[in-house]
This record gives sequence, C-alpha cells and structure tokens, in this order.
Amino acid sequence: EVQLVESGGDLVQPGGSLRLSCVASGFTFSRHSMSWVRQPPGRGLEWVANIKQDGSEKYYVDSVKGRFTVSRDNAKNSLFLQMSSLRAEDTAVYYCASQTYGTYNYWGQGTLVTVSS
Amino acid sequence: EIVMTQSPATLSVSPGEGATLSCRASQSVGSYLAWYQQKPGQAPRLLIYGASSRATGIPARFRGSGSGTEFTLTISSLQSEDFAVYYCQQYNNWPPDTFGQGTKLEIK
Repeated sequence: EVQLVESGGDLVQPGGSLRLSCVASGFTFSRHSMSWVRQPPGRGLEWVANIKQDGSEKYYVDSVKGRFTVSRDNAKNSLFLQMSSLRAEDTAVYYCASQTYGTYNYWGQGTLVTVSS
Repeated sequence: EIVMTQSPATLSVSPGEGATLSCRASQSVGSYLAWYQQKPGQAPRLLIYGASSRATGIPARFRGSGSGTEFTLTISSLQSEDFAVYYCQQYNNWPPDTFGQGTKLEIK
C-alpha cells in the first residue's frame, strides 16, 4: 500500500522558520518526481515546489522563491520542505504528492502550518 | 501562467442524477488536464488524467472529455460518496502547473 506521511506542521510566528518532512512507502520513491501542494483553510489547491527524481532540478511557485527550499533523501524515502521568513499567507495544509507525467497520483494526509502572532 | 476557471462554483444535484462540471483554460493545454476529487478533511484523489483516462480504481461513471481550452467532467448516476469538491489541473505549461478554484458538488 502506498503511503505518504507528512509531519512538522506547527504554529509559528511571522518571520519564523519550519521544516516539513514526508516519508514515503509502498512505491519506488527514487523514481518519482515529488511536489509540495498547499491548501489555505477553506480554499483551493496551490502547487508550491517540485523536485526531480535525483534532486538535480527544483522548481518553486514565485511567492515562495528565496524563502522555501525543497530537498529529498532517496536513501530514506523522504521529502523535505524548509520554510523560512514565513508569512500569514503561508498558512495552509501542506501536502506532499508524488507525480507521474505531471499528475499527482499519490497524496499524503497533509500537515497544517499556521503563521500567526 | 495558465489560469484555470471552473464552473459552476456550486452544483446541487439529487442522488441518482447526472452532473456536468466544466473547466476552462486561459490558453490551450492540449490534453494535459487532470481532475481530482476532495472530500472534507481528506487529501485530493486523482480521478482523470490526459483529459479522459480514468485513474486506477475510478468507477466508469466518471468520464472526462475535452481538449485545448474546454474540458468537462461528467458523473453519471451520482452516488452518495460522489458529493465532494472537484478540481481540474493543467500540466501542459509547467512550472507552475495550475489548479482551478474547484466546484462543490452538493446534494440537492
């Protein structure tokens, strides 16, 4: 059974930092491009960041460039999102998702990041 | 960035009836269009990819169609478990891939 389990979400003050993790099982993690997708409370989905299978290429939505860093450890089947200079508008449930030819075929259950003073 | 627009925002339908959801792209995305279903408190689930191919385990009552800029998700004979929010996503022009704002399918 495919599983993606996120962790690391928390309440953090504006300007603070947080590191999200996602552990994968049930599929060959190293063969899949991986992304973070977020969903603000009561709103729609927004792609945040993507990392290619071997970590050689990384992409970000404009609103997080320079503040967020995506990384992966294929030996540990893990995906990470280092977030800094957090803003209120970063408040959301953050999902990790595996990609196949551009579509998100598997999703984690999400982890909530709340940025508030 | 390609903008995806879904309509209607909310659709009220009785169980057993059919529903048609629309998604429009601001420029052509070919057939690089996916549909997702999201229930309250759950992660999205892939339904359709390539505009018309059902993902593994998706019932035949879900049908995707369209190409270019106009797409449709048709759900025939609605079951209770089908009432949810549906999102379209284009992955032709990436990054970023972009999602529509969603259509909430509710029980009438």
